[in-house]
Amino acid sequence: DAGITQSPRHKVTETGTPVTLRCHQTENHRYMYWYRQDPGHGLRLIHYSYGVKDTDKGEVSDGYSVSRSKTEDFLLTLESATSSQTSVYFCAISARGLYEQYFGPGTRLTVT
Amino acid sequence: DAKTTQPNSMESNEEEPVHLPCNHSTISGTDYIHWYRQLPSQGPEYVIHGLTSNVNNRMASLAIAEDRKSSTLILHRATLRDAAVYYCILREAQGGSEKLVFGKGTKLTVNP
Repeated sequence: DAGITQSPRHKVTETGTPVTLRCHQTENHRYMYWYRQDPGHGLRLIHYSYGVKDTDKGEVSDGYSVSRSKTEDFLLTLESATSSQTSVYFCAISARGLYEQYFGPGTRLTVT
Repeated sequence: DAKTTQPNSMESNEEEPVHLPCNHSTISGTDYIHWYRQLPSQGPEYVIHGLTSNVNNRMASLAIAEDRKSSTLILHRATLRDAAVYYCILREAQGGSEKLVFGKGTKLTVNP
């Protein structure tokens, strides 16, 4: 299995609080992605990174920001969490853009 | 939105072949066809991808129609562990960036 971990694995937070999710890889892959998965919507891309300090928006980026200061870490921040951001968040990595993505175990976030 | 169409669900018996169809009538000449699967409570897992020719790997085979408007993922001998949601995805290139757009997939049930 690809060396990719996510932390925390579960989190409950209150509306209006900031939240940061971390994705860590040991594969030295260039590309990293954040997705969210909700019932009835499948996986939707939030943001992605194609190198250190190089990021771009996905299809559902509103309310989220990302940072990548090191190859191995990709952080997803919810500046002010809302109930609509309750979801399962998956991180993915890839060595060659979109040929093969390897996914982490996911973080279940509940915003009350 | 995803540009692929898959049946919502399919059933198979253990040790029998499974053919999972996917329609992508608006595929462009540069779009790759990717398949991922997601086992319960796990992140998605890469299965296979192709462009024009049929592809085989240790997990599955991918048969691509000559006009590329459809493809079929073939599991040669289904096992209980193959019960998952299978996603057929086109790799889209837009404005120099590329992304995978996941649809709702096909939920495969494997009967013992």
